[in-house]
Amino acid sequence: KAGVTQTPRYLIKTRGQQVTLSCSPISGHRSVSWYQQTPGQGLQFLFEYFSETQRNKGNFPGRFSGRQFSNSRSEMNVSTLELGDSALYLCASSLMQNSGANVLTFGAGSRLTVL
Amino acid sequence: GEDVEQSLFLSVREGDSSVINCTYTDSSSTYLYWYKQEPGAGLQLLTYIFSNMDMKQDQRLTVLLNKKDKHLSLRIADTQTGDSAIYFCAESGSITSGTYKYIFGTGTRLKVLA
Repeated sequence: KAGVTQTPRYLIKTRGQQVTLSCSPISGHRSVSWYQQTPGQGLQFLFEYFSETQRNKGNFPGRFSGRQFSNSRSEMNVSTLELGDSALYLCASSLMQNSGANVLTFGAGSRLTVL
Repeated sequence: GEDVEQSLFLSVREGDSSVINCTYTDSSSTYLYWYKQEPGAGLQLLTYIFSNMDMKQDQRLTVLLNKKDKHLSLRIADTQTGDSAIYFCAESGSITSGTYKYIFGTGTRLKVLA
């Protein structure tokens, strides 16, 4: 069973550019969440999508956006990149357990460096 | 507001037990989780506990929950060098209640000395 796939794994951009990151969830998982991980701020929740609808959103500026397609694949976009956007962007898909727990399965992440 | 706190670093000797602690503030949390992150990788679920339980054991892992004090701990018995990683505590509600948003702790970097 394939895991969560994130592309690209590494990318370098310059300030002012925009970037699109892609996430393919585990087959059958309909929920996809995005997180930003930095050494200073830890794991920060960006947004969560379920059945093509944004269900939850974190406290990030409007430059950060996302979407989910009918096949549950998700993309996130960051426009007008700033140096502080350099981070590891993690995607996680989830399937509700029989117990009701929401277990996340993470991809390896996309490491973005903004110069 | 919702917050989950962990100590940043822990260093133990190989073969000893490791105890990683976590405190949380949201008393409505239904599930509490422990995730592990190895270098260059995403997070991997280790175990989770339902809030009406006070202990869960899974091989070398023991989770203790003190709901009154909002304190969660993860004990790793016979710690090995392969256990060196960052450990994240997290809380969430239940999907059935609709409060499934995750709050992650800051992560504890565990270093196991040979």
